[in-house]
Amino acid sequence: GEDVEQSLFLSVREGDSSVINCTYTDSSSTYLYWYKQEPGAGLQLLTYIFSNMDMKQDQRLTVLLNKKDKHLSLRIADTQTGDSAIYFCAESKRGSQGNLIFGKGTKLSVKP
Amino acid sequence: EAGVVQSPRYKIIEKKQPVAFWCNPISGHNTLYWYRQNLGQGPELLIRYENEEAVDDSQLPKDRFSAERLKGVDSTLKIQPAELGDSAVYLCASSARSSGSQYEQYFGPGTRLTVT
Repeated sequence: GEDVEQSLFLSVREGDSSVINCTYTDSSSTYLYWYKQEPGAGLQLLTYIFSNMDMKQDQRLTVLLNKKDKHLSLRIADTQTGDSAIYFCAESKRGSQGNLIFGKGTKLSVKP
Repeated sequence: EAGVVQSPRYKIIEKKQPVAFWCNPISGHNTLYWYRQNLGQGPELLIRYENEEAVDDSQLPKDRFSAERLKGVDSTLKIQPAELGDSAVYLCASSARSSGSQYEQYFGPGTRLTVT
């Protein structure tokens, strides 16, 4: 199977919370990342979490990591129309010197 | 601070033609990456440089792809000859090798290549 898996689509209403999920297969992953990609643009680093942590919060973003289940989630509080984009989960494996393996991305649509 | 700069932003060529992409990383970033992003997919690493040395080119199709980073700053990725399947977005990223930030990769806007 794929190294990093994500659901492809998520639709929410403006003001609601969004939760984007990701699963990975390699327990040796050291860092796990969330990137945002808007149409026609490159990837913007949103946040990342080291594998010995289980939660990280940064303003409207909350990352939860369940190492036992190899599950990562990104929660966006008070989702805005400007949050509409594709969100990529990525892992960096131990010994890879920072090489990232990306999922296929989750397209978030925010309805007004 | 300027971000990662790439040019051109768009390129349309006929198959069998050569093409080159240029990247200028964030000032002071030792590590430079080239990724390829196919439609509907996440980026996939092609090559990673530490300064001027290509330390991981295991995913670079060496029969037609080449890359260089002669002075450890700018980099060029070349395809010769291009094939239809090379149509994709080519992304450049850079990161600084220092404790706490070495794994933060910053991406450029990409070059969208269309091979006809």
